[in-house]
Amino acid sequence: GAVVSQHPSRVICKSGTSVKIECRSLDFQATTMFWYRQFPKKSLMLMATSNEGSKATYEQGVEKDKFLINHASLTLSTLTVTSAHPEDSSFYICSAPPIAGHTEAFFGQGTRLTVV
Amino acid sequence: GQNIDQPTEMTATEGAIVQINCTYQTSGFNGLFWYQQHAGEAPTFLSYNVLDGLEEKGRFSSFLSRSKGYSYLLLKELQMKDSASYLCAVKDSNYQLIWGAGTKLIIKP
Repeated sequence: GAVVSQHPSRVICKSGTSVKIECRSLDFQATTMFWYRQFPKKSLMLMATSNEGSKATYEQGVEKDKFLINHASLTLSTLTVTSAHPEDSSFYICSAPPIAGHTEAFFGQGTRLTVV
Repeated sequence: GQNIDQPTEMTATEGAIVQINCTYQTSGFNGLFWYQQHAGEAPTFLSYNVLDGLEEKGRFSSFLSRSKGYSYLLLKELQMKDSASYLCAVKDSNYQLIWGAGTKLIIKP
């Protein structure tokens, strides 16, 4: 089956610093990657959609300059949280759309970000 | 607006059966998914319904009624490891997944 590898799984950073989260599709090519954040006991909220070779599409209310998304290749998409604040602490998950023969999306393992 | 409703929390006994309901109002419908999510982990796929009726997969079954905007996930022979959150998600007319907040299922011995 298709595997999406996301790392780091956990990161603690100081306020004002930047953190990069990577998602790699290991055995397939992903031209699109969805980035979600999830607060405790809340649903997955789509932040943005990255597209290989073009600019990411951001959902309403998501700051483009704060959450930098880059889709560098067909197997790598990154989310950089810039000038992190404690309110950015959350669970971030990437997801690739279904591939041929599958109906379900493929998720990375998730990244727990804590900003102190 | 688009909305997915699920109960916040349910409790059941090991070995029993539990039904988790999901109602949705979305702009278009292109399938409904159920995912299991353990705390601090990514969701894992359980089932997919696009036509009305019941889909059975081992201990888990999922039902869909498109006319009622309703689905349920049925878990049989509950095991302690089934303690998790269960997320209902609908793919809308733009093929975008709209997620429910999830139902936290607590299994007691």
